[in-house]
Amino acid sequence: DAKTTQPPSMDCAEGRAANLPCNHSTISGNEYVYWYRQIHSQGPQYIIHGLKNNETNEMASLIITEDRKSSTLILPHATLRDTAVYYCIVRVAMNPGTSYGKLTFGQGTILTVHP
Amino acid sequence: DTGVSQNPRHKITKRGQNVTFRCDPISEHNRLYWYRQTLGQGPEFLTYFQNEAQLEKSRLLSDRFSAERPKGSFSTLEIQRTEQGDSAMYLCASSPTFRTESYEQYFGPGTRLTVT
Repeated sequence: DAKTTQPPSMDCAEGRAANLPCNHSTISGNEYVYWYRQIHSQGPQYIIHGLKNNETNEMASLIITEDRKSSTLILPHATLRDTAVYYCIVRVAMNPGTSYGKLTFGQGTILTVHP
Repeated sequence: DTGVSQNPRHKITKRGQNVTFRCDPISEHNRLYWYRQTLGQGPEFLTYFQNEAQLEKSRLLSDRFSAERPKGSFSTLEIQRTEQGDSAMYLCASSPTFRTESYEQYFGPGTRLTVT
């Protein structure tokens, strides 16, 4: 699985959009971009994933550049409860014969949302 | 609560003792994963089960570690002769099988192990 690079920490004001970048310059054509977050003392929580197109769900939006070498997770209206470590992960599509879907976490970005 | 549950939530043990953790995945999730997380680091993969079959093990899983999923439902992770370096959060995650290309893993709250 490709390696990702994220800033170690970011700040955001409550109510503003939080834009978390991720660099994955060695991503392969069959690798998805996943985002998880981990709130203090809890297990990681799935946020969103994408392959090529931009994606949006009730939690966030994922913008993937055309060359797929980087992506941005957008929390449109950050709240204090969004303070967490955010992990960007790339992994191949699930293939029972060669890939069992394990996630390779980096150190992530510590997002602090302040009042 | 229909999420992934783990017991105990906290365990303090003395070096050399054996410990066992339990994970109950979301009902009907065939895939089950164990991860370990040390302070300030992201989770690291330990092992994977599909139903009762253990299909992948990390090199992190030394001979002192053993995991089982006897009936394809709950899973246990046992550490024998614990060492201080085993102190960590042990996370369990489960996932459904019907999505063939991409899917998300649902994590439990973890078991925090402290070896004194």
